[in-house]
Amino acid sequence: SQQGEEDPQALSIQEGENATMNCSYKTSINNLQWYRQNSGRGLVHLILIRSNEREKHSGRLRVTLDTSKKSSSLLITASRAADTASYFCATDAGYQFYFGTGTSLTVIP
Amino acid sequence: EAGVVQSPRYKIIEKKQPVAFWCNPISGHNTLYWYLQNLGQGPELLIRYENEEAVDDSQLPKDRFSAERLKGVDSTLKIQPAELGDSAVYLCASSLEQRVTGELFFGEGSRLTVL
Repeated sequence: SQQGEEDPQALSIQEGENATMNCSYKTSINNLQWYRQNSGRGLVHLILIRSNEREKHSGRLRVTLDTSKKSSSLLITASRAADTASYFCATDAGYQFYFGTGTSLTVIP
Repeated sequence: EAGVVQSPRYKIIEKKQPVAFWCNPISGHNTLYWYLQNLGQGPELLIRYENEEAVDDSQLPKDRFSAERLKGVDSTLKIQPAELGDSAVYLCASSLEQRVTGELFFGEGSRLTVL
């Protein structure tokens, strides 16, 4: 069973627009990570936010974490065609990583 | 620095046949994971190793799946016999962290098709 759920399941935007995807989880966590997966490839780590952090930035990525609502959001600003991929959140409850179901992002040139 | 290497990338077999997947983690990474990823889903843990010890294999279907990590480096995941429902991508990942907190580095995966 998977702990996290991403929302929306699929997202299609024009190049240059911002993309926001959300992750909800069920139990208390130590940290939350976001990964990207291009079609037919492995997952690539994007960013990690710890449970005592509320916001983190990395380049065009902005991640927020609300532990009271058990949710996180990933914002990709000024999207590019190369951002087309599936995005997964992964929560660490201390024993293993739980991956969400993923958001499929399509950026139209 | 080489990343996590998996082979084969693709494997097509008939049901009831055996299959094995191999993973070479990043040098120095003591923690190794095998994940199963079904189409349109996120990865689900099969087994986690700390060095050569399997510290979490609760999700591994032990009636047909087995894994080993000899000498705490390379790892092999085996399915015998394979069933139709085993068609999926098998991902290997490694981590520098020994506790479950750090970044995971994934291989490209081994896509299994069972006919």
